[in-house]
Amino acid sequence: DIQMTQSPSSLSASVGDRVTITCRAGQTITNYLNWYQQKPGRAPKLLIYAASTLQSGVPSRFSGSGSGTHFTLTITGLQPEDFATYYCQQSYRRPYTFGQGTKVEIK
Amino acid sequence: QVQLVQSGAEVKRPGASVKVSCKASGYRFTRYYIHWVRQAPEQGLEWMGIINPDDGSTTYAQKFQGRVTMTRDTSTSTLYMEVSSLRSDDTAIYYCAREENSSWYYWGQGTLVTVSA
Repeated sequence: DIQMTQSPSSLSASVGDRVTITCRAGQTITNYLNWYQQKPGRAPKLLIYAASTLQSGVPSRFSGSGSGTHFTLTITGLQPEDFATYYCQQSYRRPYTFGQGTKVEIK
Repeated sequence: QVQLVQSGAEVKRPGASVKVSCKASGYRFTRYYIHWVRQAPEQGLEWMGIINPDDGSTTYAQKFQGRVTMTRDTSTSTLYMEVSSLRSDDTAIYYCAREENSSWYYWGQGTLVTVSA
């Protein structure tokens, strides 16, 4: 199985901050990397697919980059509605594994 | 519009089985693979397996081999995921999700399965 490691596991930030979350794959996954946002009691929401493609309807303050084994999700100008847990997921090879999640909390 | 609507919450005894449904609408049912994912309380997301609604072929995560069965009914556009020999650590929210562009935009609302004596 391809191990996905996210860091940090949690962070505290203020509205307006720039936040970066890192995801590392245990082997190359080219650009088969997706980012999801999850709020309590809700299903995950797709933010970015193919490492850097913004899903339609997702605010442009979200961006993704990377390829191979190292990926980042950046939120530029954190908004109150962005406080949530974020997961990376590889869709390169089954089983489609997720990172352990990064909880973004209000400072 | 595309919708995946799951069945309601279940409470089961250890050793029992549970069958969760996921009714698809708003698109051609046989065109997109469906994945099942679960999330234990306060835990992350765990992939369970995938079904091709066109031919019913499946791939399961090794952890669930022999205990999970995914099926579909093309006449009602409904997917099913059954877990047998339930244990307390199977308590989780179970989601179905539709694959497109190797990612999952459409998700069901989730089904809470509680396993308790």
